[in-house]
Amino acid sequence: QKEVEQDPGPLSVPEGAIVSLNCTYSNSAFQYFMWYRQYSRKGPELLMYTYSSGNKEDGRFTAQVDKSSKYISLFIRDSQPSDSATYLCAMNFQGGSEKLVFGKGTKLTVNP
Amino acid sequence: NAGVTQTPKFRILKIGQSMTLQCTQDMNHNYMYWYRQDPGMGLKLIYYSVGAGITDKGEVPNGYNVSRSTTEDFPLRLELAAPSQTSVYFCASSRFVGNQPQHFGDGTRLSIL
Repeated sequence: QKEVEQDPGPLSVPEGAIVSLNCTYSNSAFQYFMWYRQYSRKGPELLMYTYSSGNKEDGRFTAQVDKSSKYISLFIRDSQPSDSATYLCAMNFQGGSEKLVFGKGTKLTVNP
Repeated sequence: NAGVTQTPKFRILKIGQSMTLQCTQDMNHNYMYWYRQDPGMGLKLIYYSVGAGITDKGEVPNGYNVSRSTTEDFPLRLELAAPSQTSVYFCASSRFVGNQPQHFGDGTRLSIL
């Protein structure tokens, strides 16, 4: 079983839709969870950063962590064409290590 | 705010040639990283550095070398380029150890022919 699993998609939705992106993981020691957004031909940029379980909201974006299920989600409300990108989840341990563990990314297209 | 700057943006190499990918950051971050990203394969850590003069191997270090003489710069050296090294290379930095968010450059697209 891979350490972090992420459905690569591609995922295509109409503008205004609610988007749900997900990752599952196998290591219960992960405590820090991040979502990165990567536009075509650009580097990943941090979108959301959460610690342990619970929800975090930032504008149209909500990050959710369910440690009991080893499952994290990113919800995008009122999706816009500018949200079209690849979304990568990433996680690390309490106390941290040098290596962030990344999912392979989900490619999202929001159609006008 | 420049953040993490990588040069060149694109490069084509012949098999057996060598080159250095440059990375510099202006955020005074201690930690710096080199990743490669292949289609559908996610990000793989090549090397990382916890400060000037200190480097260590990541997941896929073979065929690469790094040095860190200053806080700002972390060049990646390819010796004897091989087709398997065709990839997009990203440099990143973070203030402290890996549970801190990493800030990425825009990558170097490298083709080995």
